[in-house]
Amino acid sequence: SFELTQPPSVSVSPGQTATIPCSGDGLSQKYVSWYQKKPDQSPVVVMYQDMKRPSGIPERISGSNSGNTATLTIRGTQAMDEADYYCQAWDSRTFVVFGGGTKLTVL
Amino acid sequence: QLQLQESGPGLVKPSETLSLICTVSIGSISTNDYYWAWIRQSPGKGPEWIGSVSHRGNTFYNPSVKSRVTISVDTSKNQFSLKLTSVTAADTAIYYCAREVSTARGVFGYWGQGTLVTVSS
Repeated sequence: SFELTQPPSVSVSPGQTATIPCSGDGLSQKYVSWYQKKPDQSPVVVMYQDMKRPSGIPERISGSNSGNTATLTIRGTQAMDEADYYCQAWDSRTFVVFGGGTKLTVL
Repeated sequence: QLQLQESGPGLVKPSETLSLICTVSIGSISTNDYYWAWIRQSPGKGPEWIGSVSHRGNTFYNPSVKSRVTISVDTSKNQFSLKLTSVTAADTAIYYCAREVSTARGVFGYWGQGTLVTVSS
């Protein structure tokens, strides 16, 4: 079965750039979305189809997908960005698969 | 803004059937050909897609639960539902209903608040 792997945690200083990777076999052949989840809230999509930002998501958040790794990049990280981030892949064969999540800590 | 609300028992006994309903408001479940999904998240784990249904009743299920799950839609009530049979403690999770965004398949832009279901005797 198709699996997505994320590091359990990433730490970043305020104002710096946070990079969250997500790996899976042949991932560049699938569309990748990213969700931000804060405690006691439902997930919010912050990136979809690899690099498209939904309305209301700031431009300092960007995405890429190449080879076996998709990456969510947050520039100028702020305290409000502290959350769990989940990657998710979709294609017409495997449908929907989520990664295990990365806890982003803004130190 | 579309709203989704999960409802159902918060406690289910092992080997019994988990049943949840998602009620859609400020929007019709029959609008366009979106897929409506059930997604769950167990403590300390990433979300797990359970399956999706269209307003026409077309369904797709996660192979890991396919033998135990049924997702159906009731357009007259603007609801869709989840039934998961033969539950065990491993099915304890927060269950969310969700809908795809209008511009991309398999991207969930609308979520309910989630409902905790505990499997325990």
